[in-house]
Amino acid sequence: GIQVEQSPPDLILQEGANSTLRCNFSDSVNNLQWFHQNPWGQLINLFYIPSGTKQNGRLSATTVATERYSLLYISSSQTTDSGVYFCAVETSGSRLTFGEGTQLTVNP
Amino acid sequence: ETGVTQTPRHLVMGMTNKKSLKCEQHLGHNAMYWYKQSAKKPLELMFVYNFKEQTENNSVPSRFSPECPNSSHLFLHLHTLQPEDSALYLCASSQVGDGYTFGSGTRLTVV
Repeated sequence: GIQVEQSPPDLILQEGANSTLRCNFSDSVNNLQWFHQNPWGQLINLFYIPSGTKQNGRLSATTVATERYSLLYISSSQTTDSGVYFCAVETSGSRLTFGEGTQLTVNP
Repeated sequence: ETGVTQTPRHLVMGMTNKKSLKCEQHLGHNAMYWYKQSAKKPLELMFVYNFKEQTENNSVPSRFSPECPNSSHLFLHLHTLQPEDSALYLCASSQVGDGYTFGSGTRLTVV
C-alpha cells in the first residue's frame, strides 16, 4: 500500500515562531488532507489539498503532486496550535491512509 | 447541527458487557467509516460503508459489529471486548471532492 512519511516527528516552538511540516507519499493520490488533532482527540480538517496551494488565516498548505509531497505552513504560532498534525492520503486503490503525525508544542 | 456527531464521548465497560457507539453525519456524504486510534499508533481503518452497504472490513475481530441503517447513521456494537481494545474510536464520513470529516471520537476503556 501507499507509504506516508511525515517530518519532523516532534517540534517545539516559541509562541510567534513560524514552522513548516512536511508530508511525503509514495504513490499518486486523488485526495490529500491535513488534520489537527487536539488534546481531546478530535481530528479537525485543516485542508483538502490534493494539489496546489491554499491558505486559511495563519495556515497555508502546498501540495506538489508530481513530486509527491505536501507542506503545511504555520505562521505566528499560538499555544492553541499545539497538538498532533496528520497528513492523510487516498489513492484510487486504497482508503485514507495516515502518516504518523508531527507532535507540535508551542510554548508561551 | 452540522458535521459528524459521535456518542458517547467516553465509555468504560467490562469485558462481559455489550455496548454500542453511535455516529451521525449531517453532511449528505455517501460514505461512512470507523477508525481506531490506539496510543502511539497511526489511525487504523476498521470498516467502510458506501450508501449504507459495507464495502470493507479490515480484518476486524467479530467482537466488533458495525451497523449502518441508512447513509446518515453508523453504529459500532461492542461485546466481550479485551483490555487491548481500549482506544479512541473515530467515525468519519466522506464524499468525492469534499474529503473526510471526522467526529470527536469515543474514548473507550475496557476493564
